[in-house]
Amino acid sequence: GENVEQHPSTLSVQEGDSAVIKCTYSDSASNYFPWYKQELGKGPQLIIDIRSNVGEKKDQRIAVTLNKTAKHFSLHITETQPEDSAVYFCAATQGEYGNKLVFGAGTILRVKS
Amino acid sequence: DAGVTQSPTHLIKTRGQHVTLRCSPISGHKSVSWYQQVLGQGPQFIFQYYEKEERGRGNFPDRFSARQFPNYSSELNVNALLLGDSALYLCASSLKGYYGYTFGSGTRLTVV
Repeated sequence: GENVEQHPSTLSVQEGDSAVIKCTYSDSASNYFPWYKQELGKGPQLIIDIRSNVGEKKDQRIAVTLNKTAKHFSLHITETQPEDSAVYFCAATQGEYGNKLVFGAGTILRVKS
Repeated sequence: DAGVTQSPTHLIKTRGQHVTLRCSPISGHKSVSWYQQVLGQGPQFIFQYYEKEERGRGNFPDRFSARQFPNYSSELNVNALLLGDSALYLCASSLKGYYGYTFGSGTRLTVV
């Protein structure tokens, strides 16, 4: 089955710096790659996603890149702010209907002001 | 617009008991998925329902079951609770069941 590896497990950056989180996946049939932000006591919040027919997608300070050949995708956050501090999860789809999300283990991002 | 609504938010159960968790999807969404999130880990897929039909089951024992109602709301049932079932149970809805999942805030289940 699908396996998603996420690195690093923790990341500390200074306010205003950039943060990059990387994920690799194993199932070549995966075609949808969302990123979620989870704050304490809350459910995961979708922040950006990308489909397999696109190499890069950007939404203000957040961007995601996908390399299908290498089976890896990355989240880039620029000009980080203290409110970006949270746990970030990558995921990839699996299953007959491409409907099962397989999540990475998460990255704790701390933005120091 | 109301997001994904889950109830209850917290509950405590004793080993061996049964529990029912409930989820109301975003209006217009026809798919509901259930995930279990153990502290410090990413969510793990339990079930997905689309148009009231099961469209996938994760690696969970038969003690876990679910259903989707005509109004697209869903219930997750867990029988014979074990201590290891203590987790945050998340419900996610999507329009068509294969992208754009929105999660609820979850139900925190503690088994003692």
